Amino acid sequence: AQTVTQSQPEMSVQEAETVTLSCTYDTSESNYYLFWYKQPPSRQMILVIRQEAYKQQNATENRFSVNFQKAAKSFSLKISDSQLGDTAMYFCAFMKLYGTSYGKLTFGQGTILTVHP
Amino acid sequence: DAGVIQSPRHEVTEMGQEVTLRCKPISGHDYLFWYRQTMMRGLELLIYFNNNVPIDDSGMPEDRFSAKMPNASFSTLKIQPSEPRDSAVYFCASSLQTLSNYGYTFGSGTRLTVV
Repeated sequence: AQTVTQSQPEMSVQEAETVTLSCTYDTSESNYYLFWYKQPPSRQMILVIRQEAYKQQNATENRFSVNFQKAAKSFSLKISDSQLGDTAMYFCAFMKLYGTSYGKLTFGQGTILTVHP
Repeated sequence: DAGVIQSPRHEVTEMGQEVTLRCKPISGHDYLFWYRQTMMRGLELLIYFNNNVPIDDSGMPEDRFSAKMPNASFSTLKIQPSEPRDSAVYFCASSLQTLSNYGYTFGSGTRLTVV
């Protein structure tokens, strides 16, 4: 079974600064996807960024980028130029691509990020 | 596309009552997932369907919970009888699982309160 661990229950950052959220995971799979989801107070789950495990290049989406270290099973999210609208709970998630539970997302516990003006 | 539509958005019910949560996935998506979010347990998968067929229901907590997907555009999650510990936010999500498009679209969730 896969596990996802987010060791930072809460983080805060000043507007316009950079913040990094940590995530580690445990799996015996070689092919999988990793995701970061954002959940603002509206509770909507919003996909922020995804990373295919077979790709060495780190994914980027505008101000959001990841540092994917496959050997270390680490998948951190960097938010540059933080904005007040980035205030939310952030979840790291793992998805198997083959076999049983194909397509199932396993989530970490979440990190509450607060951006201060 | 209107996205994944869940109803109701909020539900308050008394212990022992039957509760039915509804979900309309995105048209064309062939996977549908039900997740539950609580403070204690976080986000956990209850059940998922592929082409309307239940694939994995190992996350369904007990026999009081049941889920159906009678067609590609509708799914229900039913709790009978409901208990206070069922209070949570229930999310439905759908996905089109192709090599070029992994990731879900979530609905807005139903906040269930059982008193």
